[in-house]
Amino acid sequence: TQLLEQSPQFLSIQEGENLTVYCNSSSVFSSLQWYRQEPGEGPVLLVTVVTGGEVKKLKRLTFQFGDARKDSSLHITAAQPGDTGLYLCAGDVNTGTASKLTFGTGTRLQVTL
Amino acid sequence: DVKVTQSSRYLVKRTGEKVFLECVQDMDHENMFWYRQDPGLGLRLIYFSYDVKMKEKGDIPEGYSVSREKKERFSLILESASTNQTSMYLCASSLLSSGGLYEQFFGPGTRLTVL
Repeated sequence: TQLLEQSPQFLSIQEGENLTVYCNSSSVFSSLQWYRQEPGEGPVLLVTVVTGGEVKKLKRLTFQFGDARKDSSLHITAAQPGDTGLYLCAGDVNTGTASKLTFGTGTRLQVTL
Repeated sequence: DVKVTQSSRYLVKRTGEKVFLECVQDMDHENMFWYRQDPGLGLRLIYFSYDVKMKEKGDIPEGYSVSREKKERFSLILESASTNQTSMYLCASSLLSSGGLYEQFFGPGTRLTVL
């Protein structure tokens, strides 16, 4: 089983602060996704990165895929209470019959006023 | 509006009971997945299916089985529930594609407690 370790596991910050979440593995992935999960709901896709070194921006969120496609980071600028949730990275594994995702351990973010 | 629905939001069962968790998607997706989610462990894949009547084991299939008789429906079965199967269970679906460029759509989850 390929493992994706996320750090930190928990993060509690105040509105307006910046933060970075890391997703690391010893395995190479063909693509990597970030999901956000809010309480009582399933995860929702934020972004997919496919090229080593790729950087994608989604408003205040910046996602980076490592050059070797083994790691990724999510940076949030000026965090808001609406950013609160569980952030999950997920790497693509092709089994030959189907593609499946290996999910990271998750980072729980709380943003307070 | 795309949708994945799960039969129950909360379920309480006793040790040894047979438990059925149902998942239905309305997006005509080929792939369907069952995960369990536990604090600090993220989502772990139990089983997935890439076509009707086709299934593959995920990372933690022990103690579980699945059924996919129709494209839109994927069932997770706990033959004899045990307390270590207390968890949040999430169903997801996606298109069948290559290169990993696909999105998984998740249901809201079923929180199962086994007493």
